[in-house]
Amino acid sequence: NAGVTQTPKFRILKIGQSMTLQCAQDMNHNYMYWYRQDPGMGLKLIYYSVGAGITDKGEVPNGYNVSRSTTEDFPLRLELAAPSQTSVYFCASRVGGAVLFGPGTRLTVL
Amino acid sequence: RKEVEQDPGPFNVPEGATVAFNCTYSNSASQSFFWYRQDCRKEPKLLMSVYSSGNEDGRFTAQLNRASQYISLLIRDSKLSDSATYLCVVNAGANNLFFGTGTRLTVIP
Repeated sequence: NAGVTQTPKFRILKIGQSMTLQCAQDMNHNYMYWYRQDPGMGLKLIYYSVGAGITDKGEVPNGYNVSRSTTEDFPLRLELAAPSQTSVYFCASRVGGAVLFGPGTRLTVL
Repeated sequence: RKEVEQDPGPFNVPEGATVAFNCTYSNSASQSFFWYRQDCRKEPKLLMSVYSSGNEDGRFTAQLNRASQYISLLIRDSKLSDSATYLCVVNAGANNLFFGTGTRLTVIP
């Protein structure tokens, strides 16, 4: 199993641009999550999904959108990027209680 | 009140020392508990689950106290490679997964 994969690893956006952060897992996990982590801070939940076709907002959803058309993929869409969205984005999936994280995407908005 | 609270540290300890971290949680219905390790600029990785009876993995011991609603992590004989941020994670049900903000440990030569 490849586990949780994320692309791209790094990205620089200009203010107002849009992009999609890709996330995929090959473990047939139902639960998937998107977190952001600002420098020196804890993880904040953006969106989560309990299965294909079902998504819900987390703690900090503003400025983001998600979709879950398949069990494997859970892309995160940023519309109209802002400097406040500069962060590291982690996708994760869950089996039982433990969460498995992807390697992260480092996003800078200038 | 935060769902999960940790002392952010930093904890600076010499090699070979024993260090302990605590984490308190507020939801008495919490079902499962974990410690994660996060290295600088990396993703969090599962260190160990925490069981009611306590569990040990080499130099690491995890304990759960349901009555007082806290979990602990004990690291014996600290190594330089133990330097990292340690996150406690509490699972209170399907959509209720709570992360502590992490405790930073630096092991000094």
